[in-house]
Amino acid sequence: AQSVAQPEDQVNVAEGNPLTVKCTYSVSGNPYLFWYVQYPNRGLQFLLKYITGDNLVKGSYGFEAEFNKSQTSFHLKKPSALVSDSALYFCAVRDISNTDKLIFGTGTRLQVFP
Amino acid sequence: EAGVAQSPRYKIIEKRQSVAFWCNPISGHATLYWYQQILGQGPKLLIQFQNNGVVDDSQLPKDRFSAERLKGVDSTLKIQPAKLEDSAVYLCASSWDGLATIYEQYFGPGTRLTVT
Repeated sequence: AQSVAQPEDQVNVAEGNPLTVKCTYSVSGNPYLFWYVQYPNRGLQFLLKYITGDNLVKGSYGFEAEFNKSQTSFHLKKPSALVSDSALYFCAVRDISNTDKLIFGTGTRLQVFP
Repeated sequence: EAGVAQSPRYKIIEKRQSVAFWCNPISGHATLYWYQQILGQGPKLLIQFQNNGVVDDSQLPKDRFSAERLKGVDSTLKIQPAKLEDSAVYLCASSWDGLATIYEQYFGPGTRLTVT
């Protein structure tokens, strides 16, 4: 079965420092991977996706993610964190074994301190 | 471009009562999804429509949950009767076409349901 794992419930980082939110995946076949962000009392917002091609994917708000096939990882990164980046981040994978639905991880809360 | 609209934003009901949620997707989006997000968990797909038809409802508790998408636009999700474990945020999302998950999904703000 397709799945993603987010090993950290929370990540704390100081403003201006680089941040990484981790995601590993398990799929049969080629993975289609996504990152979404959820701010309080709001729905999920799309950040970026990996379908094929360059292993470094650039997305919204200065975020990027690195696809690593050998480590089955798709970590979300940003060179310089902002306090406004504090939110809940979800990694997701397309489930090609069924009807192409998205399978979400459990989420990682990012806290950026001033 | 208007986003995905959902109503109500909040709902509190007693167990065994019924409740309905409404979703209006982004104009032109053929695929519509309903997700359940329990506190501390990622969203779980309940049902996926493409236009009027159901693509996937494998995780929908059909003894109490029902959903419809009339005319391939708006959708309603109903719970009858509600149980305590149905307390969650119900998210509606839409995307462009039938192979939708290769494209990003756009989410509404969600409806927070509390069952007491």
